[in-house]
Amino acid sequence: AQSVTQPDIHITVSEGASLELRCNYSYGATPYLFWYVQSPGQGLQLLLKYFSGDTLVQGIKGFEAEFKRSQSSFNLRKPSVHWSDAAEYFCAAGGGADGLTFGKGTHLIIQP
Amino acid sequence: DAGITQSPRYKITETGRQVTLMCHQTWSHSYMFWYRQDLGHGLRLIYYSAAADITDKGEVPDGYVVSRSKTENFPLTLESATRSQTSVYFCATPRTELSNGELFFGEGSRLTVL
Repeated sequence: AQSVTQPDIHITVSEGASLELRCNYSYGATPYLFWYVQSPGQGLQLLLKYFSGDTLVQGIKGFEAEFKRSQSSFNLRKPSVHWSDAAEYFCAAGGGADGLTFGKGTHLIIQP
Repeated sequence: DAGITQSPRYKITETGRQVTLMCHQTWSHSYMFWYRQDLGHGLRLIYYSAAADITDKGEVPDGYVVSRSKTENFPLTLESATRSQTSVYFCATPRTELSNGELFFGEGSRLTVL
């Protein structure tokens, strides 16, 4: 069965510090991979996506993610977080006709 | 660029009532999806549709009914609402017909079942 795992339910980071959010997937073949962000009371916004090619992908708001086939991972990173980055982050995988499979999300808290 | 419009944005209802959540897209894309979001579960697929009059079950379809008589509309009906259906519901469609699974989401419909 297809699955996406985000091991960290909550992460607290100081403003200005670096960030890494973990994501592992389990699929029959390498799926398309996505990171979405959701601010409180809002819908989901796409941060970045990986289809093929360069395993380091750049997204919006200074985020990047690295695809590692050997580890079935697609971790999200940012070198220096801002208070406005506090949100819920979802990793997703798929690309077929039946939509995306989402992880359970990681709640990011920014400490001043 | 209206994209996806969901209505109502907020709804409170009682157990046993019928509720319909509407989803309208301005792009006429073939695929449309309904997800529910619950704390600790992330987003789970309820139903999806590949085209008008073609629908299929997702991960959590029980208690829900969908229809797709027009390409641009994809209503989700709870025929007899239960408390466990209290959730935030998101409608989604691919950003383009060739966007390789990348989904664009509506702003969500928050449903409370008392």
